[in-house]
Amino acid sequence: AQKVTQAQTEISVVEKEDVTLDCVYETRDTTYYLFWYKQPPSGELVFLIRRNSFDEQNEISGRYSWNFQKSTSSFNFTITASQVVDSAVYFCALLYNFNKFYFGSGTKLNVKP
Amino acid sequence: DAGVIQSPRHEVTEMGQEVTLRCKPISGHDYLFWYRQTMMRGLELLIYFNNNVPIDDSGMPEDRFSAKMPNASFSTLKIQPSEPRDSAVYFCASRLAAGELFFGEGSRLTVL
Repeated sequence: AQKVTQAQTEISVVEKEDVTLDCVYETRDTTYYLFWYKQPPSGELVFLIRRNSFDEQNEISGRYSWNFQKSTSSFNFTITASQVVDSAVYFCALLYNFNKFYFGSGTKLNVKP
Repeated sequence: DAGVIQSPRHEVTEMGQEVTLRCKPISGHDYLFWYRQTMMRGLELLIYFNNNVPIDDSGMPEDRFSAKMPNASFSTLKIQPSEPRDSAVYFCASRLAAGELFFGEGSRLTVL
């Protein structure tokens, strides 16, 4: 069975703090993709990153970084020096069976000034 | 480039009425998905199409829900008759094969 667990329901930080959002997944597929999406208060879902199961290189994009570890089935997302504009709900998702996306329940991030 | 376009953005209707949600996917994308988002159930896949053909509709809640994709640039999700428990945000998304999902801004449905 496929599963994505985002154990942190809500996180509050003060601006400029670093914050890590956890994502743990389960799948029996050997080929799969992992994603992170951002849903700001305005409601749209914004794609952030895609990672396939054969690429365990960490990725950095500005203040965002992602740590993919197959050994622990985790795909964690870190925001460095958080800003108020980072306040949103963040979803981790697993793509399996070519077209089935399984979304986690999301982590709501509150960044306070 | 235009993203996924959904209409209406907001719909308020009374129980028993027919609701039609519309979606225009990104040009060239051959997969189209309809999702529903609620606080209780999160993001749920309702149905997806490949090259205008429905592939998996196992997530459609019941016969009151139907979806069509008459051509590559247009899809509808219809609820008839609507019920208060259908209140949710409905997202349309499109993608290329093996690509990420691009979502529309969503249609917020309230059934009174």
